[in-house]
Amino acid sequence: GENVEQHPSTLSVQEGDSAVIKCTYSDSASNYFPWYKQELGKGPQLIIDIRSNVGEKKDQRIAVTLNKTAKHFSLHITETQPEDSAVYFCAASIPIQAGTALIFGKGTTLSVSS
Amino acid sequence: KAGVTQTPRYLIKTRGQQVTLSCSPISGHRSVSWYQQTPGQGLQFLFEYFSETQRNKGNFPGRFSGRQFSNSRSEMNVSTLELGDSALYLCASSRGRGNTEAFFGQGTRLTVV
Repeated sequence: GENVEQHPSTLSVQEGDSAVIKCTYSDSASNYFPWYKQELGKGPQLIIDIRSNVGEKKDQRIAVTLNKTAKHFSLHITETQPEDSAVYFCAASIPIQAGTALIFGKGTTLSVSS
Repeated sequence: KAGVTQTPRYLIKTRGQQVTLSCSPISGHRSVSWYQQTPGQGLQFLFEYFSETQRNKGNFPGRFSGRQFSNSRSEMNVSTLELGDSALYLCASSRGRGNTEAFFGQGTRLTVV
């Protein structure tokens, strides 16, 4: 069935370094790709998203790139800070029954040490 | 603007019981989706409600059901609870349907003993 693979599962960086998380999806009909950040004891927070008609999107220190041909999309965080430490999830929309649903990757635990 | 509100935050139930969870979406949002989050399976789609009708359903048994009211608030029900139903249940609200931003609540942590 449809799935989203996310790598790496854990990522440790020093404050100020960049972090990159990569996802691949299987359904060529997917056209919406959000990224979520989940801190301990909280629900996932939407941090950035991209649609299939765009190759790259940036919001301050966060950027997302999409390669539809290869079915890859990536999250880039520059100048990481300790408060960036959290679990990050990628997701892809899939057509289902009467609409669409989001399929999530398994998550990446990012640790930023100062 | 208030976010997505889920109640209760924590629940402990016994096997065989049933449970009802509640979700109030962001004001003006009409779509509510429910997800189950577990360490092993990650985030899995349960179902989506829009205009008081279930529009989509994930791959979960019929023990999982829900409904949506005219004010867009939604409830999720799990009957005949099993130990494996222990999870964080998340509700996400969207303004419309299909590829619009989904905002999650803090979730309800259900423990089945």
